[in-house]
Amino acid sequence: GAVVSQHPSWVICKSGTSVKIECRSLDFQATTMFWYRQFPKQSLMLMATSNEGSKATYEQGVEKDKFLINHASLTLSTLTVTSAHPEDSSFYICSDVRREQETQYFGPGTRLLVL
Amino acid sequence: EDQVTQSPEALRLQEGESSSLNCSYTVSGLRGLFWYRQDPGKGPEFLFTLYSAGEEKEKERLKATLTKKESFLHITAPKPEDSATYLCAVQAGAQKLVFGQGTRLTINP
Repeated sequence: GAVVSQHPSWVICKSGTSVKIECRSLDFQATTMFWYRQFPKQSLMLMATSNEGSKATYEQGVEKDKFLINHASLTLSTLTVTSAHPEDSSFYICSDVRREQETQYFGPGTRLLVL
Repeated sequence: EDQVTQSPEALRLQEGESSSLNCSYTVSGLRGLFWYRQDPGKGPEFLFTLYSAGEEKEKERLKATLTKKESFLHITAPKPEDSATYLCAVQAGAQKLVFGQGTRLTINP
């Protein structure tokens, strides 16, 4: 069964609004989670590493003030897209890292459409 | 810079027609190579982890192998339900994964 869940699975919003996406690690306490973005017919691009109890680490070119990440508990990380614009429309996917084999398990993804 | 290249970009096979997908990589200090399957509109599903050259892993009709420069995902007698995009990723450090562009596999009945 699924080991990582995301909510919502899809969201449509108006330009300029903020959207929050939740990522939950099921049956596991994840100190580290990752957020990826995937554009149509492209591969996954890492946006940031979410660390429980500390600030997220962002990849080069990703605006930390636009993509706010909060990892307040060992099972929940949230990504907030602030002042969303049409170019932020994408498929956002999170993952956690299971200590055995250091394998990342992915959530089902959240499709964001900004009008 | 760590890099992953997958080929072919897309592959169409008839049901039962075996083939292989390629993943070439350049990385400083490979900690693991991962294969995932992704269906349209869904997150990647974990398939295999390989750690060292010569290692092989199997799961149903899939077998993954690893050399010092590349990995192959062999699919034997595929079925239509094996149609998906197969992603290869490498881990060099700090648990980060670098993904290839994927191979879109279509199995025709």
